[in-house]
This record gives sequence, C-alpha cells and structure tokens, in this order.
Amino acid sequence: NAGVTQTPKFRILKIGQSMTLQCTQDMNHNYMYWYRQDPGMGLKLIYYSVGAGITDKGEVPNGYNVSRSTTEDFPLRLELAAPSQTSVYFCASGGAYNEQFFGPGTRLTVL
Amino acid sequence: TQLLEQSPQFLSIQEGENLTVYCNSSSVFSSLQWYRQEPGEGPVLLVTVVTGGEVKKLKRLTFQFGDARKDSSLHITAAQPGDTGLYLCAGSMIQGAQKLVFGQGTRLTINP
Repeated sequence: NAGVTQTPKFRILKIGQSMTLQCTQDMNHNYMYWYRQDPGMGLKLIYYSVGAGITDKGEVPNGYNVSRSTTEDFPLRLELAAPSQTSVYFCASGGAYNEQFFGPGTRLTVL
Repeated sequence: TQLLEQSPQFLSIQEGENLTVYCNSSSVFSSLQWYRQEPGEGPVLLVTVVTGGEVKKLKRLTFQFGDARKDSSLHITAAQPGDTGLYLCAGSMIQGAQKLVFGQGTRLTINP
C-alpha cells in the first residue's frame, strides 16, 4: 500500500499561471481533503470530498477548485496563481474513526 | 483567530527533561487527535481521544482529554532527540463528522 501520494513535490509558478496538484489514495477511503500549511498557522482546510462526485468548500476555498470523479483521485486546481497561494499543500484521506492519513505534500511558490 | 490554541508554540529542551504541550479551546469537541509532523513530510496520527477525562499512553507520551472536552494535553517523559518535530492537535466538533480543525502547532526541539 502506498497510502496517499501527491505530485509534484515542488513547483514554482508565475503569477497568473494555472496548475493541478494531483492526489491519489489506495486505501479505499470515501473522505478526502486538501489543506494548506503556512508557517506558524497549522493546517487550513481548502476543500473536502465525502465520496466520488461530491465535494464541498472548507475554510479557505477561494482561488481553488476540485473534482472527485473516482474514489482514488482528488485533484486540486489553481486557476490564476497569486503570491498568497505560496504554501505547502497536503492531501489527506479519512479512515473510519476520524483519523486522517496525509500525503508528503507539495511545496508551491508563486512569484 | 484560532479555534484551537496550542501552547507553547516553540519549545527547546535538553534530552531527558519532561514537557507538556497544551491544546485549548472555548468550544466542545466530540473527539480530539494529536499528530506529529517531521520536516518535509505530512502529519502522522499519534492518538485519538473521545471521552472527557480520557487518558491514553503511547510509550513515553501521555495524552489527556479535558473533562469538558474543550482541551487536551500531551506530556512527554524523558524526552529524546527522536521526539523532535511539530506536534499538532486537531478536533472534530460533530460526532461522526470527518472534518477536523487544527491548532497552529508546537515546534519541539530536543537537544542531545
């Protein structure tokens, strides 16, 4: 089992560019999440999904979009990158007892 | 404002010392979790507490959930350099819900 995998590990974007952060889990979890982690700020929920075809906004959804066409995949789309989106992005999937399993993260810099 | 406030935010101590990290809120949580995160990696779950007053032990780590389910603590006995990392508490406000609110973290450094 690979758990939760994320690609890419690092990315530098110019202001206004777009990109998709990929996330895949092989634990057959229904719940999946996207967080961003800024220095000293813990984790902030961007979007989450309770199953294929169902997504909902978290605490900081502006500037992001998601889709969930399969149980395994939960990509995060940035349409017009801004410097405020410079952060480390973590994808997670949820187990049966509220625990969450995290991927290794994507470090994104917008210049 | 943070729904979950962790203190201290930074802690640097010598190997062998004891320490306690706190996670406080004015809100009631149905469950609370502690995660540990190492540089360049995602958080890893250490423990989940669900009952007010519950105490769980994981080797030298002791976790307690407050009686009113508004706060929690993590106590480490005889800290070792391998305990170094970012410790995050996270709470679920609705029983059965799968959304978590995270504290800002406590960055712990254990010096040999």
